[in-house]
Amino acid sequence: SQTIHQWPATLVQPVGSPLSLECTVEGTSNPNLYWYRQAAGRGLQLLFYSVGIGQISSEVPQNLSASRPQDRQFILSSKKLLLSDSGFYLCAWSGGGRGPPEQYFGPGTRLTVT
Amino acid sequence: TQLLEQSPQFLSIQEGENLTVYCNSSSVFSSLQWYRQEPGEGPVLLVTVVTGGEVKKLKRLTFQFGDARKDSSLHITAAQPGDTGLYLCAGDQTSGTYKYIFGTGTRLKVLA
Repeated sequence: SQTIHQWPATLVQPVGSPLSLECTVEGTSNPNLYWYRQAAGRGLQLLFYSVGIGQISSEVPQNLSASRPQDRQFILSSKKLLLSDSGFYLCAWSGGGRGPPEQYFGPGTRLTVT
Repeated sequence: TQLLEQSPQFLSIQEGENLTVYCNSSSVFSSLQWYRQEPGEGPVLLVTVVTGGEVKKLKRLTFQFGDARKDSSLHITAAQPGDTGLYLCAGDQTSGTYKYIFGTGTRLKVLA
């Protein structure tokens, strides 16, 4: 069965510090991968998605970037965090093939920028 | 920009009551998913609907996709405290683009 991991689970970082959040998927190959950010109790905002190694599409202009160095690894980064970067970050994957691409989410990372 | 508006935003009901959550857009979606999310966790997929007018049932939950594939509803019969959570709808913008638009969310609290 497929499993998706995210770490760290929680993170408190000062403004201006760098960021690296990691997401890995097990039990599937060539997944589509996604990074979302969620404000408290609200819907999800799509930040990046990737359909393959090195292929990243950005949805929202910001000081964040994403990379996919391996098939099942997706990394969210920032060189200098802003207060507005605080939130709940979720990684998700979906499979290829026929039918609607249903997404499966990781446990999330709670980021607080102070 | 496509938007998915959910209503109501908040809902607090007694155990045993029925409720309906709505997800509306002015745009057409290839498919639409419903998720439930617990605090501090990732959303969990409940159902996917793909055909206009489609109705799917998951125990006490009934999901319907609008005929024009622009809206959807989630009906819960005899709600239980375990149904408490944030309900999210998500639309697949255009087949093949792999991008989802998420709704604004409905926070449901079922009181025992």
